[in-house]
Order: sequence, then structure tokens, then C-alpha cells
Amino acid sequence: KNQVEQSPQSLIILEGKNCTLQCNYTVSPFSNLRWYKQDTGRGPVSLTIMTFSENTKSNGRYTATLDADTKQSSLHITASQLSDSASYICVVSLSNSGYALNFGKGTSLLVTP
Amino acid sequence: EAQVTQNPRYLITVTGKKLTVTCSQNMNHEYMSWYRQDPGLGLRQIYYSMNVEVTDKGDVPEGYKVSRKEKRNFPLILESPSPNQTSLYFCASRGGWTSGNNEQFFGPGTRLTVL
Repeated sequence: KNQVEQSPQSLIILEGKNCTLQCNYTVSPFSNLRWYKQDTGRGPVSLTIMTFSENTKSNGRYTATLDADTKQSSLHITASQLSDSASYICVVSLSNSGYALNFGKGTSLLVTP
Repeated sequence: EAQVTQNPRYLITVTGKKLTVTCSQNMNHEYMSWYRQDPGLGLRQIYYSMNVEVTDKGDVPEGYKVSRKEKRNFPLILESPSPNQTSLYFCASRGGWTSGNNEQFFGPGTRLTVL
């Protein structure tokens, strides 16, 4: 069973609008949570990394939040641009290994003019 | 420029013909790994290496081999490719757990088609 669930699976929004992507995880013990952006046919690129003690982190128009108690994270994109069209992947790391990563299947975002 | 490189980027081959996909990183990272990505399944780990001469199986290792003779290189070997290994492959590297450099960098991907 996948321990990292993302929703929605896909999303279409108009350019300039905001959107929020969700990530729920059951991975334990938790170490850190990462959000990646993956353009079609390219390698994922890191957007944010949050440890257990952090509950928000921003990278430009991208803001990630983390609630370690409810095991939920969200990625908020503000004033979307056409270049935001991509897949967004949530990845959770175990604390007792340091290396094992659990990947969500991603949310595919399409920003239209 | 810090990067992970993969070669080739695109490959079409036939069933049973051995092939190697190379991966190299210039960040002196200890940890390297290989993933495959298929529609609807997301990224799945094939093999990983925590340092030179230390490798271990990931979630989907069947049909693949790896080696880590040097810190910078981590080739993926398909001894006898089959059509179900048609996929998009990514190599990644990351600093050691105690180094504080936990950022994982991905290569540009290798699109493999096995006929």
C-alpha cells in the first residue's frame, strides 16, 4: 500500500489563479517531506524540504505547509503561470534510515491561458 | 555546475540485447539511486548505493544490475532487456545523512524502448 497519497490526481486552472495540492502520508517515523516539480520528460526538481519542526516553507510563488500531527502537507501555488504546468510530487523520508524515500504518484497540473 | 548526467538520453533496443545506462554526478555525493517512472505508477526505486562498493535492491530490482566502483558513477545494466522494461529512467544522487546535505538531485532521464 502506498504510504504517500496525493490529491487531486490532476487539476486544470486558469492562468493567474491560485491552487492547492494535497499530500497525506502514513510513513513513520517521519523525518522530512519534500515537494518536487517535474516538467514532462524531465527529472524532478526540488521545490521545498521541511523537517518535523517546520510547518511552512516558501520558494517564490510556492508555499508548502506541514502538519506532522495529522500527517498532511499542502503545496500552494500563487498567481499561477503557464510554466507551472507540470507534475508535482510529494516525497516523505523515514527518520531511521536517512535514505529511504516514499514517493507519491504526483498531481498533474495544467495551467491554461 | 552541480549536476547529474545520464547517457544515453534516448535508446531503442531489441529484446535480449544487453545495454548499460551510465550515470555520473559531480557533487561528491555518497548516495546514488536509480528509478523508473511509468504512467500511473509514479517513481519507483530500482537500486541504490550508499557508497562505493555498497549497493542494495530497491522496490523493483528484477532484471537490473548496478555497480559502484567509483563514487561519481553508478551505471544501470540490463543484461537481457524485455519489453516490460520500456520506461523512463532517472538517476539521482544525495549527500550523506550526516553531512547535512540532504538535497536529492535527479538526472535528466533516459527514455528506453525495448522492442
